[in-house]
Amino acid sequence: TQLLEQSPQFLSIQEGENLTVYCNSSSVFSSLQWYRQEPGEGPVLLVTVVTGGEVKKLKRLTFQFGDARKDSSLHITAAQPGDTGLYLCAGPSFIQGAQKLVFGQGTRLTINP
Amino acid sequence: NAGVTQTPKFQVLKTGQSMTLQCAQDMNHEYMSWYRQDPGMGLRLIHYSVGAGITDQGEVPNGYNVSRSTTEDFPLRLLSAAPSQTSVYFCASRPPGRVYSYEQYFGPGTRLTVT
Repeated sequence: TQLLEQSPQFLSIQEGENLTVYCNSSSVFSSLQWYRQEPGEGPVLLVTVVTGGEVKKLKRLTFQFGDARKDSSLHITAAQPGDTGLYLCAGPSFIQGAQKLVFGQGTRLTINP
Repeated sequence: NAGVTQTPKFQVLKTGQSMTLQCAQDMNHEYMSWYRQDPGMGLRLIHYSVGAGITDQGEVPNGYNVSRSTTEDFPLRLLSAAPSQTSVYFCASRPPGRVYSYEQYFGPGTRLTVT
């Protein structure tokens, strides 16, 4: 069972547009991380949010952790072709008695010039 | 520092063959893990290790073995490859502590096809 659901799974927009992608769960998470993965490479951490309601900004990217810590969003302002990639959210979950990192299925974002 | 390195980059196996995917890190991280990535499934944890000599199973361990004889290396073995193991495999490492406290560093991946 996937604990983290990301939407949309695919998004293709024009350069300069704004967009928001979502990471939702029915469970409470102590924190959530967002990673970006480019073709042929491994994921790279963008941000970790740990407090309900927290907002973090990374240049044109704004990350928000829901008040109830069950969801998170990533908003990109004035998207650029360099933002193209697979965006993954991840959070700690207990699996077989140990805390491990579980990932959503990802949002594949394409920014067209 | 090279970070996390993986070899090979690509591999094609026939059903029933065995192979070892290599992973090494030079950051002195105690925690290392193996994930597989399939379309629409995100990253799923196969096995992990919290230090040399200690390994444990993740979400999808069947068909895979691991060992951790040194801090630096964490190889993943497929004893008898099956088409269901066609995937992209990522090795990751991080410092010890709470799983959300530290960034996981990922290798570039190994794309494995089993025919």
